[in-house]
Amino acid sequence: SQQGEEDPQALSIQEGENATMNCSYKTSINNLQWYRQNSGRGLVHLILIRSNEREKHSGRLRVTLDTSKKSSSLLITASRAADTASYFCATDADDYKLSFGAGTTVTVRA
Amino acid sequence: DTAVSQTPKYLVTQMGNDKSIKCEQNLGHDTMYWYKQDSKKFLKIMFSYNNKELIINETVPNRFSPKSPDKAHLNLHINSLELGDSAVYFCASSPLGLGVRTEAFFGQGTRLTVV
Repeated sequence: SQQGEEDPQALSIQEGENATMNCSYKTSINNLQWYRQNSGRGLVHLILIRSNEREKHSGRLRVTLDTSKKSSSLLITASRAADTASYFCATDADDYKLSFGAGTTVTVRA
Repeated sequence: DTAVSQTPKYLVTQMGNDKSIKCEQNLGHDTMYWYKQDSKKFLKIMFSYNNKELIINETVPNRFSPKSPDKAHLNLHINSLELGDSAVYFCASSPLGLGVRTEAFFGQGTRLTVV
């Protein structure tokens, strides 16, 4: 069954704007991860936040985690055309797999 | 130096055929996975192997048979291909083990088209 669900399904923004996407999940987790997938390519790991962390930064990325609400958000600041991609959250529970949502497709307009 | 490589990148075949996809990782990871991505981009786990042992078989039809000759390789063989098998198949690896939780590294995917 699907563990993570991203919202919105699609997002279109102007270059320089911020992009925010959300992820909700159902069960207890060890960590939550965000991945990027460019069109026709594999997934690339962006950032991992552990269940005892509330916020994490990496360059222009900011991730928050609220385990009480079973939700996470990914913020991309000052977006660039190269940020155009699909973004997936994945949850890591005690079951030897990462469970992915269906992703948010982000389009950054020049 | 590709960390996780899978071949072929594209595979077009007729219904009823048998085909294999190969995957190799040079990261020294203990765990390897096969994921299927459908046309709506939803990624679903198919199999997970840890040190050559099958850990997860996520209700995949038995026409799909993974084989791990060593912990650096996880191949996927598919018998009697059906139209619904058309998808992109991703191999991935991670150093996941007992008490180790970290990210996964993905291959570039194999786009399988069954005609």
